[in-house]
Amino acid sequence: DQQVKQNSPSLSVQEGRISILNCDYTNSMFDYFLWYKKYPAEGPTFLISISSIKDKNEDGRFTVFLNKSAKHLSLHIVPSQPGDSAVYFCAAKVSGGSYIPTFGRGTSLIVHP
Amino acid sequence: ETGVTQSPTHLIKTRGQQVTLRCSSQSGHNTVSWYQQALGQGPQFIFQYYREEENGRGNFPPRFSGLQFPNYSSELNVNALELDDSALYLCASSLDGRAKNIQYFGAGTRLSVL
Repeated sequence: DQQVKQNSPSLSVQEGRISILNCDYTNSMFDYFLWYKKYPAEGPTFLISISSIKDKNEDGRFTVFLNKSAKHLSLHIVPSQPGDSAVYFCAAKVSGGSYIPTFGRGTSLIVHP
Repeated sequence: ETGVTQSPTHLIKTRGQQVTLRCSSQSGHNTVSWYQQALGQGPQFIFQYYREEENGRGNFPPRFSGLQFPNYSSELNVNALELDDSALYLCASSLDGRAKNIQYFGAGTRLSVL
Protein backbone atom coordinates (compact mmCIF):
# COMPACT_ATOMS: atom_id res chain seq x y z
CA ASP A 1 0.00 0.00 0.00
CA GLN A 2 1.77 3.10 -1.26
CA GLN A 3 1.08 6.05 0.97
CA VAL A 4 3.08 8.43 -1.23
CA LYS A 5 2.54 8.14 -4.96
CA GLN A 6 4.41 9.67 -7.85
CA ASN A 7 2.40 8.47 -10.79
CA SER A 8 4.65 9.79 -13.54
CA PRO A 9 7.84 7.71 -13.79
CA SER A 10 9.37 10.22 -16.18
CA LEU A 11 9.03 13.76 -17.50
CA SER A 12 10.76 15.42 -20.42
CA VAL A 13 10.97 19.23 -20.63
CA GLN A 14 12.71 21.77 -22.85
CA GLU A 15 15.34 23.97 -21.29
CA GLY A 16 13.85 27.27 -20.07
CA ARG A 17 10.33 25.88 -19.71
CA ILE A 18 8.54 24.93 -16.49
CA SER A 19 8.85 21.46 -15.01
CA ILE A 20 5.96 20.28 -12.82
CA LEU A 21 6.41 17.15 -10.78
CA ASN A 22 3.41 15.77 -8.94
CA CYS A 23 2.94 13.76 -5.78
CA ASP A 24 -0.17 12.39 -4.08
CA TYR A 25 -0.50 10.98 -0.59
CA THR A 26 -3.13 8.96 1.18
CA ASN A 27 -2.24 9.29 4.87
CA SER A 28 -3.99 12.35 6.29
CA MET A 29 -1.59 12.30 9.25
CA PHE A 30 1.29 13.47 7.05
CA ASP A 31 2.05 17.08 7.89
CA TYR A 32 5.54 17.69 6.58
CA PHE A 33 6.63 17.14 3.00
CA LEU A 34 10.00 17.13 1.31
CA TRP A 35 11.46 16.85 -2.16
CA TYR A 36 14.80 15.20 -2.78
CA LYS A 37 16.84 15.14 -5.96
CA LYS A 38 19.05 12.20 -6.90
CA TYR A 39 21.77 12.08 -9.53
CA PRO A 40 23.14 8.71 -10.69
CA ALA A 41 25.76 7.23 -8.33
CA GLU A 42 24.90 9.79 -5.64
CA GLY A 43 22.58 9.73 -2.67
CA PRO A 44 19.38 11.80 -2.59
CA THR A 45 19.93 15.44 -1.66
CA PHE A 46 17.35 17.61 0.04
CA LEU A 47 15.78 20.21 -2.23
CA ILE A 48 12.83 21.91 -0.55
CA SER A 49 10.20 21.21 2.09
CA ILE A 50 6.80 22.45 3.18
CA SER A 51 4.81 22.20 6.37
CA SER A 52 1.08 21.53 6.25
CA ILE A 53 0.39 24.96 7.75
CA LYS A 54 1.50 26.49 4.45
CA ASP A 55 0.32 26.01 0.90
CA LYS A 56 3.41 27.31 -0.86
CA ASN A 57 7.14 27.46 -0.28
CA GLU A 58 9.60 29.01 -2.68
CA ASP A 59 13.37 28.75 -2.94
CA GLY A 60 14.87 30.32 -6.02
CA ARG A 61 13.74 28.42 -9.10
CA PHE A 62 11.96 25.79 -6.99
CA THR A 63 8.45 26.15 -5.59
CA VAL A 64 6.43 23.52 -3.80
CA PHE A 65 2.65 23.78 -3.64
CA LEU A 66 0.53 21.85 -1.17
CA ASN A 67 -3.20 21.17 -1.57
CA LYS A 68 -4.22 19.47 1.66
CA SER A 69 -7.83 18.88 0.69
CA ALA A 70 -6.69 17.01 -2.42
CA LYS A 71 -3.73 15.39 -0.62
CA HIS A 72 -1.56 16.59 -3.46
CA LEU A 73 1.68 18.44 -3.76
CA SER A 74 3.69 19.57 -6.71
CA LEU A 75 7.19 20.83 -7.37
CA HIS A 76 7.63 23.56 -9.95
CA ILE A 77 11.01 24.30 -11.47
CA VAL A 78 11.21 27.55 -13.44
CA PRO A 79 13.15 27.91 -15.64
CA SER A 80 14.29 24.32 -16.09
CA GLN A 81 17.98 23.76 -16.78
CA PRO A 82 19.81 20.69 -18.14
CA GLY A 83 21.53 20.32 -14.74
CA ASP A 84 18.09 19.70 -13.21
CA SER A 85 17.98 16.33 -14.98
CA ALA A 86 17.73 13.84 -12.12
CA VAL A 87 15.28 11.62 -10.27
CA TYR A 88 13.03 13.58 -7.92
CA PHE A 89 11.57 11.91 -4.84
CA CYS A 90 8.62 13.19 -2.87
CA ALA A 91 8.60 12.26 0.82
CA ALA A 92 6.13 12.80 3.64
CA LYS A 93 6.40 12.71 7.43
CA VAL A 94 4.19 12.72 10.49
CA SER A 95 5.94 15.28 12.68
CA GLY A 96 4.36 14.05 15.87
CA GLY A 97 5.30 10.47 15.17
CA SER A 98 8.53 8.71 14.43
CA TYR A 99 9.68 11.41 12.00
CA ILE A 100 10.56 8.76 9.44
CA PRO A 101 9.85 9.92 5.90
CA THR A 102 7.85 7.79 3.50
CA PHE A 103 9.15 8.13 -0.04
CA GLY A 104 7.45 7.91 -3.39
CA ARG A 105 8.97 5.93 -6.25
CA GLY A 106 10.43 8.97 -7.91
CA THR A 107 10.05 10.82 -11.20
CA SER A 108 12.92 10.97 -13.66
CA LEU A 109 13.18 14.49 -15.10
CA ILE A 110 15.06 15.06 -18.33
CA VAL A 111 15.65 18.65 -19.39
CA HIS A 112 16.66 18.94 -23.03
CA PRO A 113 18.98 21.76 -24.15
CA GLU B 1 28.95 16.41 -1.03
CA THR B 2 27.04 15.62 2.17
CA GLY B 3 29.86 14.37 4.39
CA VAL B 4 28.12 11.00 4.78
CA THR B 5 30.32 8.19 3.52
CA GLN B 6 29.37 4.58 2.95
CA SER B 7 31.51 1.53 2.33
CA PRO B 8 31.87 -0.50 0.29
CA THR B 9 30.36 1.08 -2.82
CA HIS B 10 29.60 -2.26 -4.44
CA LEU B 11 29.33 -5.77 -3.06
CA ILE B 12 28.49 -9.16 -4.50
CA LYS B 13 27.35 -11.96 -2.20
CA THR B 14 25.68 -15.33 -2.61
CA ARG B 15 22.40 -16.42 -1.13
CA GLY B 16 22.67 -17.44 2.52
CA GLN B 17 25.75 -15.34 3.24
CA GLN B 18 25.96 -12.48 5.70
CA VAL B 19 26.95 -8.89 4.90
CA THR B 20 27.97 -5.79 6.88
CA LEU B 21 27.61 -2.32 5.41
CA ARG B 22 29.18 0.74 7.01
CA CYS B 23 28.27 4.39 7.28
CA SER B 24 30.12 7.38 8.61
CA SER B 25 27.75 10.19 9.62
CA GLN B 26 28.18 13.87 8.95
CA SER B 27 30.04 15.62 11.73
CA GLY B 28 27.74 16.67 14.59
CA HIS B 29 24.92 14.33 13.60
CA ASN B 30 23.72 11.84 16.23
CA THR B 31 20.97 10.16 14.25
CA VAL B 32 21.40 7.70 11.42
CA SER B 33 18.79 5.98 9.31
CA TRP B 34 19.16 3.12 6.87
CA TYR B 35 17.08 2.64 3.73
CA GLN B 36 16.76 -0.02 1.08
CA GLN B 37 16.12 1.16 -2.46
CA ALA B 38 15.14 -1.59 -4.87
CA LEU B 39 15.26 -0.93 -8.60
CA GLY B 40 12.48 1.42 -9.67
CA GLN B 41 11.37 2.08 -6.10
CA GLY B 42 11.82 4.85 -3.60
CA PRO B 43 13.94 4.38 -0.49
CA GLN B 44 12.25 2.10 2.06
CA PHE B 45 13.01 2.77 5.73
CA ILE B 46 14.80 -0.07 7.52
CA PHE B 47 15.63 1.43 10.95
CA GLN B 48 16.95 4.48 12.71
CA TYR B 49 19.49 4.88 15.50
CA TYR B 50 19.63 7.84 17.85
CA ARG B 51 22.58 8.06 20.25
CA GLU B 52 23.34 4.34 19.86
CA GLU B 53 19.75 3.18 20.51
CA GLU B 54 17.33 1.88 17.91
CA ASN B 55 14.71 4.60 17.51
CA GLY B 56 12.29 3.14 15.00
CA ARG B 57 12.07 0.23 12.62
CA GLY B 58 10.36 -0.34 9.31
CA ASN B 59 8.80 -3.51 7.98
CA PHE B 60 11.98 -5.57 7.67
CA PRO B 61 12.67 -9.00 9.22
CA PRO B 62 15.00 -9.47 12.22
CA ARG B 63 17.82 -10.70 9.97
CA PHE B 64 18.30 -6.98 9.24
CA SER B 65 20.10 -5.57 12.26
CA GLY B 66 22.19 -2.54 13.02
CA LEU B 67 24.57 -0.81 15.35
CA GLN B 68 25.50 2.76 16.06
CA PHE B 69 28.84 3.46 17.69
CA PRO B 70 29.84 6.20 20.18
CA ASN B 71 31.26 8.27 17.32
CA TYR B 72 27.82 7.91 15.65
CA SER B 73 29.10 5.83 12.77
CA SER B 74 26.85 2.90 11.98
CA GLU B 75 26.61 -0.59 10.56
CA LEU B 76 23.85 -2.48 8.82
CA ASN B 77 24.07 -6.26 9.05
CA VAL B 78 22.01 -8.62 6.95
CA ASN B 79 22.05 -12.35 7.70
CA ALA B 80 20.93 -15.24 5.52
CA LEU B 81 20.92 -13.14 2.36
CA GLU B 82 18.10 -13.66 -0.12
CA LEU B 83 17.98 -12.77 -3.80
CA ASP B 84 15.42 -10.01 -3.05
CA ASP B 85 17.95 -8.29 -0.80
CA SER B 86 19.69 -7.07 -3.94
CA ALA B 87 19.31 -3.31 -3.79
CA LEU B 88 20.98 0.01 -3.12
CA TYR B 89 21.38 0.54 0.63
CA LEU B 90 21.39 4.16 1.71
CA CYS B 91 22.48 5.64 4.97
CA ALA B 92 21.30 9.09 6.05
CA SER B 93 22.36 11.17 9.02
CA SER B 94 20.62 14.09 10.69
CA LEU B 95 21.09 16.37 13.68
CA ASP B 96 18.44 14.41 15.50
CA GLY B 97 15.27 12.57 14.61
CA ARG B 98 12.91 15.53 14.62
CA ALA B 99 10.63 16.00 11.64
CA LYS B 100 12.11 19.19 10.25
CA ASN B 101 15.69 18.05 10.45
CA ILE B 102 17.05 17.34 7.03
CA GLN B 103 18.54 13.95 6.35
CA TYR B 104 21.84 13.89 4.48
CA PHE B 105 22.34 10.77 2.42
CA GLY B 106 25.45 8.90 1.46
CA ALA B 107 25.93 7.60 -2.08
CA GLY B 108 24.91 4.11 -1.01
CA THR B 109 26.19 0.56 -1.23
CA ARG B 110 25.00 -1.47 -4.21
CA LEU B 111 24.47 -5.06 -3.01
CA SER B 112 23.99 -7.87 -5.48
CA VAL B 113 22.93 -11.28 -4.16
CA LEU B 114 23.50 -14.16 -6.57
